[in-house]
Amino acid sequence: EDQVTQSPEALRLQEGESSSLNCSYTVSGLRGLFWYRQDPGKGPEFLFTLYSAGEEKEKERLKATLTKKESFLHITAPKPEDSATYLCAVQAGGSYIPTFGRGTSLIVHP
Amino acid sequence: DAGVTQSPTHLIKTRGQQVTLRCSPISGHKSVSWYQQVLGQGPQFIFQYYEKEERGRGNFPDRFSARQFPNYSSELNVNALLLGDSALYLCASSFTDRTNQPQHFGDGTRLSIL
Repeated sequence: EDQVTQSPEALRLQEGESSSLNCSYTVSGLRGLFWYRQDPGKGPEFLFTLYSAGEEKEKERLKATLTKKESFLHITAPKPEDSATYLCAVQAGGSYIPTFGRGTSLIVHP
Repeated sequence: DAGVTQSPTHLIKTRGQQVTLRCSPISGHKSVSWYQQVLGQGPQFIFQYYEKEERGRGNFPDRFSARQFPNYSSELNVNALLLGDSALYLCASSFTDRTNQPQHFGDGTRLSIL
């Protein structure tokens, strides 16, 4: 059975303190890996799609990378407005339905 | 352009009641998926519809049902509500069902069961 595991569950950073969030997956035939940001009481907001190992995508302070086993979401010099839950989802095999991880709750203190 | 819209935003029901949640996809998107998100968890897949046909069903009891209309909007129905049905119900849309393009989500309906 496909599995998506995100770590850490929660992360507290000081403003400007760079870090990385991890999404590891055990799937057969990756179609795509998606990163979303979710603010409290809101739906997930799409950030990135990665399709193959070695691929990287960047947007402002965020950079997503992909290997054959995991993906990282690197946050450089975060600001308090980056505080949110970050969700990873994997689409694989014969299914086009994405499987979500539990998310990483990020809090950035000023 | 409007994103995915869901109604109502909040709903309070009691055990045993029935509820209908509504979703309008992004203009041009023909596929709608429904997810349940319990606090502290990632979204769990319930249904996917494309061109009014069910294309996928998650591991949820028969109390859950859905349909898609000719204008591609969708309804999720839940009968005989249980306390455990309390959750954020999310709707997501995409151009088709068989795509590796990302789904786009609405802000959900927060369902509370008393």
